[in-house]
Amino acid sequence: DQQVKQNSPSLSVQEGRISILNCDYTNSMFDYFLWYKKYPAEGPTFLISISSIKDKNEDGRFTVFLNKSAKHLSLHIVPSQPGDSAVYFCAATGVSEGGKLIFGQGTELSVKP
Amino acid sequence: DAMVIQNPRYQVTQFGKPVTLSCSQTLNHNVMYWYQQKSSQAPKLLFHYYDKDFNNEADTPDNFQSRRPNTSFCFLDIRSPGLGDAAMYLCATSNRADGQPQHFGDGTRLSIL
Repeated sequence: DQQVKQNSPSLSVQEGRISILNCDYTNSMFDYFLWYKKYPAEGPTFLISISSIKDKNEDGRFTVFLNKSAKHLSLHIVPSQPGDSAVYFCAATGVSEGGKLIFGQGTELSVKP
Repeated sequence: DAMVIQNPRYQVTQFGKPVTLSCSQTLNHNVMYWYQQKSSQAPKLLFHYYDKDFNNEADTPDNFQSRRPNTSFCFLDIRSPGLGDAAMYLCATSNRADGQPQHFGDGTRLSIL
């Protein structure tokens, strides 16, 4: 049973607009969440994270929102740029996982000029 | 630049022929991970080392083994590869007690003939 789900396999956005990538989880023991970005033929690169004691974390154009009651997090990219085109993975972990990351299936973002 | 390096990037082997994938790191991180990722699926943790302590995931097949001779190197051995083992294999490292964030190599794509 998948504990972390990214229900949209792909997303297409116009350059300059907002990209919103969504992630849902089922395990209420998860307390740390991360987003990774992956270009073709490269490994995932850490992008941004959020602890469960916060509901928002911002880093430049990237903001992650956490809604613990809904067990939902989202990554906002504003403004989107063509170089943001990649696969984005959501991951979660907690004390119960001993630091092990549980990944979602990924969402492929395409930002069109 | 400090990094996680995986060799080879592409590996082709025959059904049942043992194969070894290599990972090295210059980050001096004490935790090293091996993930398997099949197409359009989430990366799946196979096992990890915390220093020399080996931690195997419960559902990792016996066919998969690992060695960590020193801090810098970690190997994934597949004793008798089957067609279902064709995948991208990702190595990651971490230096935090909670394991985050993990730094990934670019992966080895394994094909089975």
